[in-house]
Amino acid sequence: SQKIEQNSEALNIQEGKTATLTCNYTNYSPAYLQWYRQDPGRGPVFLLLIRENEKEKRKERLKVTFDTTLKQSLFHITASQPADSATYLCALDIGAYNTDKLIFGTGTRLQVFP
Amino acid sequence: NAGVMQNPRHLVRRRGQEARLRCSPMKGHSHVYWYRQLPEEGLKFMVYLQKENIIDESGMPKERFSAEFPKEGPSILRIQQVVRGDSAAYFCASSPPLHYNEQFFGPGTRLTVL
Repeated sequence: SQKIEQNSEALNIQEGKTATLTCNYTNYSPAYLQWYRQDPGRGPVFLLLIRENEKEKRKERLKVTFDTTLKQSLFHITASQPADSATYLCALDIGAYNTDKLIFGTGTRLQVFP
Repeated sequence: NAGVMQNPRHLVRRRGQEARLRCSPMKGHSHVYWYRQLPEEGLKFMVYLQKENIIDESGMPKERFSAEFPKEGPSILRIQQVVRGDSAAYFCASSPPLHYNEQFFGPGTRLTVL
């Protein structure tokens, strides 16, 4: 069956350090993978999208890698700040051609302390 | 440009009543998605619609749930004869008419069934 795994335990790191979150999947061959941020009581907010033919994508302090052989994506936040504290979700597209159906992981809660 | 709008933000229903959740996509977006999120669980895909068409409803329960996205007006997720297990946060997302795009989420409707 289709499965996406993210670290279920919260990740606690000190301000200024790099946070690394993991997303592993099985039984998919996604065309792309996305990362979202979700704050309590709010809807997810899109952060980054990486396609299957891309190894790495960067946006400001964020970096995403995508290894289709390992079926894994890593999400990095460099120089982390307390404002980065949130739950981070990875999502894979599993739709057939011309559909954009996403499957989400359960998310990893990141806590950045001063 | 206003974001995705959902209303109501909170909805309380008694068992057996009907719940109607509304979603207005971002201007220019023709794709609408509905997700359900239970406490401590990830977002679960329910249905993907384009104007006047249901593209993929594979995540919708077979009974009591229906969705529509009419030519004019918001998308509606309708739950008939609600049960306690329907209590959850329901999120709507929209995307523009090109594939492999990020989805823009609304703030969600929190449904509580008494």
